[in-house]
Order: sequence, then C-alpha cells, then structure tokens
Amino acid sequence: NAGVMQNPRHLVRRRGQEARLRCSPMKGHSHVYWYRQLPEEGLKFMVYLQKENIIDESGMPKERFSAEFPKEGPSILRIQQVVRGDSAAYFCASSPLAGVDTQYFGPGTRLTVL
Amino acid sequence: GENVEQHPSTLSVQEGDSAVIKCTYSDSASNYFPWYKQELGKRPQLIIDIRSNVGEKKDQRIAVTLNKTAKHFSLHITETQPEDSAVYFCAARKSSGDKLTFGTGTRLAVRP
Repeated sequence: NAGVMQNPRHLVRRRGQEARLRCSPMKGHSHVYWYRQLPEEGLKFMVYLQKENIIDESGMPKERFSAEFPKEGPSILRIQQVVRGDSAAYFCASSPLAGVDTQYFGPGTRLTVL
Repeated sequence: GENVEQHPSTLSVQEGDSAVIKCTYSDSASNYFPWYKQELGKRPQLIIDIRSNVGEKKDQRIAVTLNKTAKHFSLHITETQPEDSAVYFCAARKSSGDKLTFGTGTRLAVRP
C-alpha cells in the first residue's frame, strides 16, 4: 500500500510564475489536508478537502492560492504569481473516510522562488 | 481558534537519559493529540498519539501523558539514542476530519 505521494519534490519558480503542487492520498483515503512549513518553523494548516469539496480553507491566503481535489486524480495546490515569501515546504496529509484520526504525511514539495 | 504552545524549543540530552517535551492547548473541545517526529528534510512521521478519553499511553521507549483539566500533554522518551535526534511537533485537533494545529517544535539533540 503506497503512502501519500507528492510531486514534484522540488520546484523552482521565478517571481510571477505559477506553481502547481500535486498530492495523491493513500489508497482508500478521501480526506486531504495541505500544510505549509516555513524554514525553521512549524506546520501551518492551509486547506482541508474531500473529493470535489473544499471543507475548510481558513488557513489559505485569499489571493493567489487555490486548491482542488477532483473526483479523479490528485489534489492540486495552485499558487499564482509566486513571490519570494511563498518559498517553503508544502506537505499534504491524508486520512481515511471516517472514524480514524491519524493523518499520514507525504514527503513534501519544497518550493523555491527566485 | 486553537492555539498550541510547545516547550522547550531546543533540548540537548546525554545518550541514555530521558527527554520530556511539553505542550499546552487552548481549546477544551480538542480531543486528539498526536506527536510527530521530523528529521531534516523529511516528512513528519507520527510516533504516538492519544485521545482525550485516555490519560497515558506508552509504546516501548515513548510515552505520552494528557491532563485534560490543565489542557496540557507531554511526550516522554526514555533511554534516548542518537537516532532520536530530530524535531518533534505536538498537535491538537477537535474532531475526526478536522485540521491539526501544531506546536512550534522542539529540536532534540542526543549526545553520544
């Protein structure tokens, strides 16, 4: 049973470009969470999605950031017009349908904005 | 919203000694408290968790205690080994499916 997968593992973008980060949850998991970790800091919640629904986006900046989890395919976190302050590690986590608390984390995507 | 504070931010112990990391949370509705270990450049890995209906849980050298009245929980690592060196994060959550709120992390160094 493959774990949570994220790609790319490393992404370099210039200011003003778009970044697309992908997350494939563990098989059988329908809850996906995105967290951001700035250098030398803890993880901050961004958004929580279930298939085709955004459940909680209270941690996501209102502008330039969006997320989706389509019926088919991975969850995608999209950052438009990236700025240097977006440089961070972005982790996604997944959990099963219901009744289980544990969130399993992917390896992360390290975004560097030049 | 929930706020989780974690102390200390750094901790250095001699190999074989015990290490204790403490966290407090603000929302009395929180009922799930996991601990994650993160090695440099790696993903956070769950090492132990506890639910609010339990006061203590142990797994080999690792134990977690929870005091719901005081709203704090602690991670205890006994007989520390160099491979325990990492950053440890506590977290809290209100209900199944809800987001995790993380503490700021403790960098543990185990001196051989």
